[in-house]
Amino acid sequence: NAGVTQTPKFQVLKTGQSMTLQCAQDMNHEYMSWYRQDPGMGLRLIHYSVGAGITDQGEVPNGYNVSRSTTEDFPLRLLSAAPSQTSVYFCASSSYGYKDMSLAKNIQYFGAGTRLSVL
Amino acid sequence: QQQVKQSPQSLIVQKGGIPIINCAYENTAFDYFPWYQQFPGKGPALLIAIRPDVSEKKEGRFTISFNKSAKQFSLHIMDSQPGDSATYFCAASKEQGGKLIFGQGTELSVKP
Repeated sequence: NAGVTQTPKFQVLKTGQSMTLQCAQDMNHEYMSWYRQDPGMGLRLIHYSVGAGITDQGEVPNGYNVSRSTTEDFPLRLLSAAPSQTSVYFCASSSYGYKDMSLAKNIQYFGAGTRLSVL
Repeated sequence: QQQVKQSPQSLIVQKGGIPIINCAYENTAFDYFPWYQQFPGKGPALLIAIRPDVSEKKEGRFTISFNKSAKQFSLHIMDSQPGDSATYFCAASKEQGGKLIFGQGTELSVKP
């Protein structure tokens, strides 16, 4: 039961470098999303996907790209890293689109996070 | 704009005390209100959730109180323990399993 797996756990980049944060889930969830967590600001949604081939922007999408070629994977790309992107990044997944009103359904599960520093 | 406002930012209580964390929302289309608990170095994990058709939901020592007319909801932790020390986030969504809008977070410390 791996759940949501994020790699790497830590990363240091120089301004202008690019990198991809990996996220994989093994629960066959349709919905996947990326958040960033900054002190005093909670978690803010970057991008999300409701299924393979479908992505959309969240609250703070600038500077980030995503794609969803499979149900399992949802990588987040930083094309040209900036110091303002120093943050902790979390990936989450859930089942989606069910009409079951039970609160036990469609829970969002989070990965352990990637701590990114951009110098 | 901040659609979900959470307070206080930090909270210190003695063991056995009842910390209360408050959240207010603006969008009346929100239909699902979860609370997440996060320990240092870990991802958030769902603690308890409520829909707006009930005014209270209790699970063990954790209770959500919900006031639909005031657009406010709160988390109460009964008989708090040092192991409850964590950061707590409220959130809101228009649909379960969909986009979550989080509050700013409350760092709770329970002293022995």
